[in-house]
Amino acid sequence: DVKVTQSSRYLVKRTGEKVFLECVQDMDHENMFWYRQDPGLGLRLIYFSYDVKMKEKGDIPEGYSVSREKKERFSLILESASTNQTSMYLCASSLIFPPLVGADYGYTFGSGTRLTVV
Amino acid sequence: AQSVAQPEDQVNVAEGNPLTVKCTYSVSGNPYLFWYVQYPNRGLQFLLKYITGDNLVKGSYGFEAEFNKSQTSFHLKKPSALVSDSALYFCAPGGNDYKLSFGAGTTVTVRA
Repeated sequence: DVKVTQSSRYLVKRTGEKVFLECVQDMDHENMFWYRQDPGLGLRLIYFSYDVKMKEKGDIPEGYSVSREKKERFSLILESASTNQTSMYLCASSLIFPPLVGADYGYTFGSGTRLTVV
Repeated sequence: AQSVAQPEDQVNVAEGNPLTVKCTYSVSGNPYLFWYVQYPNRGLQFLLKYITGDNLVKGSYGFEAEFNKSQTSFHLKKPSALVSDSALYFCAPGGNDYKLSFGAGTTVTVRA
């Protein structure tokens, strides 16, 4: 099975700190994504990447940056953490999209990192 | 641009009764439709998908969904709900732009 591993389940950081959230997938997926999940708002896309060193802004990129130096690793960076970035962060990966008939496409998600900024 | 609507924030059913979670969508091009489930403090797990072919799609844990092109709907169903089906469910449509869209989800509570 594809595994997407997020380095931390729970994280507490102080306002103004630089925060790194790490995500690693082990099935050679091209696409990787970072979402944040907040009650009542669902999942909102922060950034995604379809290749090494490539990145695209999602719907809410402000206050975040990303890094993809290797195919299997996609890092989310909070340059200066703020309390409004307290959230659940979900990483996902997928093969080439749109999917092909007969192939097992779709996103595979990590378990999430619950970040609290105090 | 694409969007998704799950009109019910919550669905409550008794164990053994049918369960339906509604979803309507809007995508550019051919739709690729997914359902995911999320248990507390966990990531999302894949349930089923529609890519092409038969409009009735069967997935994990006894769930199925019906693709209705004219109504742009992809409702999730289970004939007989279990208490263990209590979770947050997301419908996620995708088009030709590498991305799935996720709404706020529907919380399903199955009472014993």
